[in-house]
Amino acid sequence: GQNIDQPTEMTATEGAIVQINCTYQTSGFNGLFWYQQHAGEAPTFLSYNVLDGLEEKGRFSSFLSRSKGYSYLLLKELQMKDSASYLCAVTNDYKLSFGAGTTVTVRA
Amino acid sequence: DAGVTQSPTHLIKTRGQQVTLRCSPKSGHDTVSWYQQALGQGPQFIFQYYEEEERQRGNFPDRFSGHQFPNYSSELNVNALLLGDSALYLCASTSGARPQETQYFGPGTRLLVL
Repeated sequence: GQNIDQPTEMTATEGAIVQINCTYQTSGFNGLFWYQQHAGEAPTFLSYNVLDGLEEKGRFSSFLSRSKGYSYLLLKELQMKDSASYLCAVTNDYKLSFGAGTTVTVRA
Repeated sequence: DAGVTQSPTHLIKTRGQQVTLRCSPKSGHDTVSWYQQALGQGPQFIFQYYEEEERQRGNFPDRFSGHQFPNYSSELNVNALLLGDSALYLCASTSGARPQETQYFGPGTRLLVL
């Protein structure tokens, strides 16, 4: 089976840093994705990790530890437009299994 | 470069009816996956089509079926609709060679079953 856990909600101030954790227990693993989803819109791709370590893309970074079944997404220099749901997803064979998402609210 | 497109954007049906949703993949992609997303939840994998065949399927009943055409576009059919089928239906496309390829999502079809 697939079990992917992430916090339900997080709140942070504009300009701050927020870290969204994701733990997973899955029957297989080909990689871990992070997607951003604004309310009423489609998920958009943020990052992908297949090997252990940190991947940095501008204000967003993602980390993976396969031995611990753990990943995090780091959002730096938060902006109001970063208010959205952040989805952690594990790919196994050709199937993406998603967590329930973490709603991040950025306050002025 | 056109992204993933879906139609219709919204749909209202009644219990017991049948519905067909459509998806055109991003240019250069040959693989289409369908997901169901209930309010406040992450997307749930329904199935994936590659080379006009269902390659992998999630835990959805046989009422959910699909098809992929030679131009790689795809349809999702749901028969005997239930109230619980009300959700956002997302289509995602990718290049099918490797399982770790990034999937790109369309805007979705919001289905309401009354």
